[in-house]
Amino acid sequence: DIQMTQSPSSLSASVGDRVSITCRASQSISSDLNWYQQKPGKAPKLLIYAASRLQSGVPSRFSGSGSGTDFTLTISSLQPEDFATYYCQQSYSSPYTFGQGSTLEIK
Amino acid sequence: QVQLAQSGAEVKKPGASVKLSCKASGYTFTHYAIHWVRQAPGQRLEWMGWINAGNGNTQLSQNFQGRFTITRDSSANTAYMELSSLRSEDTAVYYCARGSVVAGGWFDPWGQGTLVTVSS
Repeated sequence: DIQMTQSPSSLSASVGDRVSITCRASQSISSDLNWYQQKPGKAPKLLIYAASRLQSGVPSRFSGSGSGTDFTLTISSLQPEDFATYYCQQSYSSPYTFGQGSTLEIK
Repeated sequence: QVQLAQSGAEVKKPGASVKLSCKASGYTFTHYAIHWVRQAPGQRLEWMGWINAGNGNTQLSQNFQGRFTITRDSSANTAYMELSSLRSEDTAVYYCARGSVVAGGWFDPWGQGTLVTVSS
């Protein structure tokens, strides 16, 4: 199975900050990497697919980059509604594994 | 709009079975796949398996083979996940999500989740 490791596991930031979360795969997954946002008690929501494509309806302050084994989710200017847990997921090969999550908290 | 509506919370005793449902609306059910993802308390999301809603082909993660079954009723636009011989460690929220009929891809949208609690 492909292991997905995110860093950091948690971070504190302020409204207006620029933040980045990284995701590393245990082997090359090309650009088959997706990012989801999950708020407490809610289902995950797709933000970015195929490493860098913004899902329809998702604000443009979210962006994704990377290929191979190293990927980054960047939020350019944090808004209050962005405080949540973020997961990466590889869709390169089954089983389609997720990272452990990165929780973004208000400083 | 595209939506997945899941069945309500379940409380079961160890050894029992439960069948969860995921009803699709707003799109042609048979043109997509349905994936199932589990989230145990405080844990990461864990992909369980998927069904091609068009032809009914399924694939389960090795971690979920043996006690878990995915089916669908295309006339009802509904996919199902059946869990048998339940154990306390099966306590989790179970999500369904729409995916492509081609292997891989992303999941969007997701159902609201079904909490399954296994306790004696």
